[in-house]
Amino acid sequence: AQKITQTQPGMFVQEKEAVTLDCTYDTSDPSYGLFWYKQPSSGEMIFLIYQGSYDQQNATEGRYSLNFQKARKSANLVISASQLGDSAMYFCAMRENRNQGAQKLVFGQGTRLTINP
Amino acid sequence: DAGITQSPRHKVTETGTPVTLRCHQTENHRYMYWYRQDPGHGLRLIHYSYGVKDTDKGEVSDGYSVSRSKTEDFLLTLESATSSQTSVYFCAIRVAAYEQYFGPGTRLTVT
Repeated sequence: AQKITQTQPGMFVQEKEAVTLDCTYDTSDPSYGLFWYKQPSSGEMIFLIYQGSYDQQNATEGRYSLNFQKARKSANLVISASQLGDSAMYFCAMRENRNQGAQKLVFGQGTRLTINP
Repeated sequence: DAGITQSPRHKVTETGTPVTLRCHQTENHRYMYWYRQDPGHGLRLIHYSYGVKDTDKGEVSDGYSVSRSKTEDFLLTLESATSSQTSVYFCAIRVAAYEQYFGPGTRLTVT
């Protein structure tokens, strides 16, 4: 079974600093994908970034980048130049293939990030 | 905006009563999902659908049933609500090869 581990329950960072949120995963599937979602205090789940297991380069989306280290089975999220609005819960997730092309997401427990002014 | 809504957004109900949550999408995506979110567990899959009348169980499906009679609607039913089903429920749709977008969530409290 696939598993996602986020070992940092909470992190506190000064505004404008870069921050790395850790995510390790476990799977026996050769083809998989990793996601990061942001959940602000308002509760919605916001898709941030996706990395496929066969992608040659690390994914980037604006200030977000995914540091993908396949041999270590890690998929850390890096946020550059943090902003107060980045304060939220962050979830790492992995897709697991199901029937008829459906894909389940397996989530970690999340990391609560707080940006201090 | 992936065009996904959930109703109701908040509900308080009593133990033993039936409850139905609705997920509606406007873009005819094939795959739809129901997750629940509880403290310390992240999100966990309840049921999913891969087409009209085609559904299957997720990892926490006990006590829940689903129906999808048309592409745009995916219903989650708690036949007899229990306090352990107090949670936030998210519907999701798959909008691309791998991307899942989530609805705004429904906060359900069972007293």
